[in-house]
Amino acid sequence: DQQVKQNSPSLSVQEGRISILNCDYTNSMFDYFLWYKKYPAEGPTFLISISSIKDKNEDGRFTVFLNKSAKHLSLHIVPSQPGDSAVYFCASANSGYALNFGKGTSLLVTP
Amino acid sequence: DAGVIQSPRHEVTEMGQEVTLRCKPISGHNSLFWYRQTMMRGLELLIYFNNNVPIDDSGMPEDRFSAKMPNASFSTLKIQPSEPRDSAVYFCASISSEANTGELFFGEGSRLTVL
Repeated sequence: DQQVKQNSPSLSVQEGRISILNCDYTNSMFDYFLWYKKYPAEGPTFLISISSIKDKNEDGRFTVFLNKSAKHLSLHIVPSQPGDSAVYFCASANSGYALNFGKGTSLLVTP
Repeated sequence: DAGVIQSPRHEVTEMGQEVTLRCKPISGHNSLFWYRQTMMRGLELLIYFNNNVPIDDSGMPEDRFSAKMPNASFSTLKIQPSEPRDSAVYFCASISSEANTGELFFGEGSRLTVL
C-alpha cells in the first residue's frame, strides 16, 4: 500500500508562473518530509525538506508547506523556469527508517 | 567527491538469466538502500542495510531477489531467475546514519530489461 500519494501524474505550467505539486501521506508517525527532483537517465536528487515541527520551509524559489492535520504537503516553485522540468518525488519517513516515496509528478515548464 | 556508483547502467537479458546489479556507496555512509522504479509503483524500497546488516527486506518481491553487503563499500542485488516483470530502473542510495535530514544520495540507476 502506498503510504505516500502523489495524485497528479503530470503538471504543465508556463514559465514565470507558480508550480504547485501536492502530496498526501497516510502514516501519522512520519516526522520528516522531503522532495526529490529527477531528470531522465539520472538518479533522484534532494531538493528540499521539512520536519514535522514546522509548517513551512523556504529555499530560494522553492517552498514546502506541511499541513499535519490534513497529512498533506505541497511544493511551490516560484517563478517556474524551463530547467525545473523534471519528475518530482515526495518522500516521508519516521526517524531512522527508510524513505517512502510517492509515484512522482512530471512537471513541464513551457517557455 | 564521488557519488554513489552503480553498475551496469544498462542491462538487457533474457528471461531465466541471472542478473547482478552492483553498488558502491559514498565513502563514510553506513546505510545503503536499494529502490526500484516502475511506472506503476513509482519508487519502491526493496531492502536497506545499516552497517552492512540488512535491516528491512520486506520490500523484496520474492525469493528470486537477494541482496548482500559484504563490506561497507560494496553491495549487490541479484535476481535469479529473471522475469520480464522485473524490468525496471534499480537505484542504490546511501546516507550516513548520523545525518538527521533523511537526505539520501542516489546513484544514476541500473536500467534492466528482461526479454
